[in-house]
Amino acid sequence: DAEITQSPRHKITETGRQVTLACHQTWNHNNMFWYRQDLGHGLRLIHYSYGVQDTNKGEVSDGYSVSRSNTEDLPLTLESAASSQTSVYFCASSRESYNSPLHFGNGTRLTVT
Amino acid sequence: QQPVQSPQAVILREGEDAVINCSSSKALYSVHWYRQKHGEAPVFLMILLKGGEQKGHEKISASFNEKKQQSSLYLTASQLSYSGTYFCGTRVLDAGGTSYGKLTFGQGTILTVHP
Repeated sequence: DAEITQSPRHKITETGRQVTLACHQTWNHNNMFWYRQDLGHGLRLIHYSYGVQDTNKGEVSDGYSVSRSNTEDLPLTLESAASSQTSVYFCASSRESYNSPLHFGNGTRLTVT
Repeated sequence: QQPVQSPQAVILREGEDAVINCSSSKALYSVHWYRQKHGEAPVFLMILLKGGEQKGHEKISASFNEKKQQSSLYLTASQLSYSGTYFCGTRVLDAGGTSYGKLTFGQGTILTVHP
C-alpha cells in the first residue's frame, strides 16, 4: 500500500543547530506540504511544493526551508533551531486536483532545548 | 487567514448529537474535514465542493453554505470512537475563480464522547 513516512518520530536538539526532518511518500503525488501543530493554533502551513523543483512559502515559513529534487521526498530544514520551533511537524501529500484529500504522515515531535 | 471553528470543545454522552462549525472571511472553493486522535495523524473525513454537497461516512455528514462561507459538520448518535479533534481545512477562490492545492486549517474542535 502507498504511504507517507516521516523520520525521525522524535527529535531533541539544541538551540542554534541545523535540523532536517525527512518526509517520503510512495503515493506518487505531486503536491506535498509541511505543517506544524501547536496547541490552540491547529495546523499551520510552513512550506509546500506542487512538483519537482517547485517550492512555496506558507504562512509560518520564517526559519524553515525545503527543497524538492524528486517526487517522493520533501525534507524540511530548520536552519538554526529556536525554542519557538518546538512543535509537532506533519508532512502531507495529495494529488494535483481541486477535490483531492491530504494524506498525512505520522508526525515528528521536535523539541528544541 | 485561518478559518474559525466553533465551538472549541464539546463534551457528549454516547448517542447525543453535535454540530461543529467552520467559518471563513474569504470566498471558499472547498472545505475539508479531518479527525485526529490523540498522538496520531489527522485522517480525512470528507470534502465539500463549491456548488455541491458531499455526505461522508458512518453517521457523520456536512453542509457547505457558499453565501456565508461556512461549513458545518454533523455528528449524529455519537459513539465513543468519535472522540478526537476535528479540523476543517479550506481552499479559497483565487482571482481567477478557482483554487489549487494548499489547505488552510482551523484551530480545531475537541470532541469528547463519554459512555
